[in-house]
Amino acid sequence: EVQLVQSGAAVKKPGESLKISCKGSGYSFSSYWIGWVRLMPGKGLEWMGIIYPGDSDTRYSPSFQGQVTISADKSINTAYLQWSSLKASDTAMYYCARGGGYHDSSGYFQPDWFDPWGQGTLVTVSS
Amino acid sequence: DIVLTQSPATLSLSPGERATLSCRASQSVSGYLAWYQQKPGQAPRLLIYDASNRATGIPARFSGSGSGTDFTLTISSLEPEDFAVYYCQQHTNWPITFGQGTRLEIK
Repeated sequence: EVQLVQSGAAVKKPGESLKISCKGSGYSFSSYWIGWVRLMPGKGLEWMGIIYPGDSDTRYSPSFQGQVTISADKSINTAYLQWSSLKASDTAMYYCARGGGYHDSSGYFQPDWFDPWGQGTLVTVSS
Repeated sequence: DIVLTQSPATLSLSPGERATLSCRASQSVSGYLAWYQQKPGQAPRLLIYDASNRATGIPARFSGSGSGTDFTLTISSLEPEDFAVYYCQQHTNWPITFGQGTRLEIK
């Protein structure tokens, strides 16, 4: 069974750093893109970025470029999302999901759907 | 960025009824649209990809249609477990974007 398991909920203060994780199992982790998606209270889903664990190729949504860092360690089948200085506005549920991109037959990098999803990590930033 | 507008925001129906959810794109996404279901406390689940293809394990009562800018998710006969929030997502252009969601609630 393909599965993504995320790290547990985190409560942080503004200005603190945080790194959350997403561990894949049941498939070749290095061969599929992994994406991160934010869900803020009362809002819809927002795509943050994706990474290819095989070579760490990373693409960011313009809205999140410079705000977060996405990384992966293929040796332990784990992707990460990190902040260097959290803000209260980062309070949200964060999901990882397999997919989000692929290279087509012409070699162009195309967006894609996400399946499956991790269970989510709730990040609360409050003083 | 491509903006996806879902309607209605909330849909109140009874079990056994037919549900029709709409997703409209600000520009053509061809057939590259996916639908997800999210129940409270759970992660989103892929229902439909490429506008009309059911994902693995998704019941036949779920169907997707449309192309270009107008898409529909239809649930032919609502089961109690279908009451949830539904999101559409376009996968034709970067950045990937989602609709704001439709909440399907029990009437």
